[in-house]
Amino acid sequence: DQQVKQNSPSLSVQEGRISILNCDYTNSMFDYFLWYKKYPAEGPTFLISISSIKDKNEDGRFTVFLNKSAKHLSLHIVPSQPGDSAVYFCAASAIQGAQKLVFGQGTRLTINP
Amino acid sequence: NAGVTQTPKFRILKIGQSMTLQCTQDMNHNYMYWYRQDPGMGLKLIYYSVGAGITDKGEVPNGYNVSRSTTEDFPLRLELAAPPQTSVYFCASSYSTLGGVYNEQFFGPGTRLTVL
Repeated sequence: DQQVKQNSPSLSVQEGRISILNCDYTNSMFDYFLWYKKYPAEGPTFLISISSIKDKNEDGRFTVFLNKSAKHLSLHIVPSQPGDSAVYFCAASAIQGAQKLVFGQGTRLTINP
Repeated sequence: NAGVTQTPKFRILKIGQSMTLQCTQDMNHNYMYWYRQDPGMGLKLIYYSVGAGITDKGEVPNGYNVSRSTTEDFPLRLELAAPPQTSVYFCASSYSTLGGVYNEQFFGPGTRLTVL
């Protein structure tokens, strides 16, 4: 049973445009959500997070939106840059339970010049 | 700070062999985690620790063991390696308080393990 799903395995975006990555979850106990970026042969790097008491969090070019009623979150990157090309993982955790992360399958983002 | 370091980077094992994957963090984090990532999949939690001397199972613990004798180190032991354990293994750490403040997990570079 996949509790966190990223239904798009890949996404291709023109440089300078907006990239939107989506993530759905099923477990109502999740109250903290994170996005990680991963380059080949490296570990995941933290990008941005949001807790369930908010519906939006912004950090520079990156914004995460949370829709709790739909159990859906999205990551917006604007403007997209070539260095943003990577695999992006959505992850979720519940404060009860040592903040164990449950990951989605990842979306490979390619930014075209 | 080196952050989270893992050794070795690569390893090939024969079926039935054993090995220990090393993980060390220098950020004084109390929580540590082991994940595995199979091709095309997300990371799955193997074991975690909320402090020295305290460990617990994650989603996929079978075939693995851990120990946490110090704050810094969290080794993962594979006994009787089998082909399904072929994967990339990531160690992570984070800092958490009793008040339940959320903090992100920091990941090591990974160990790529192949069991033949």
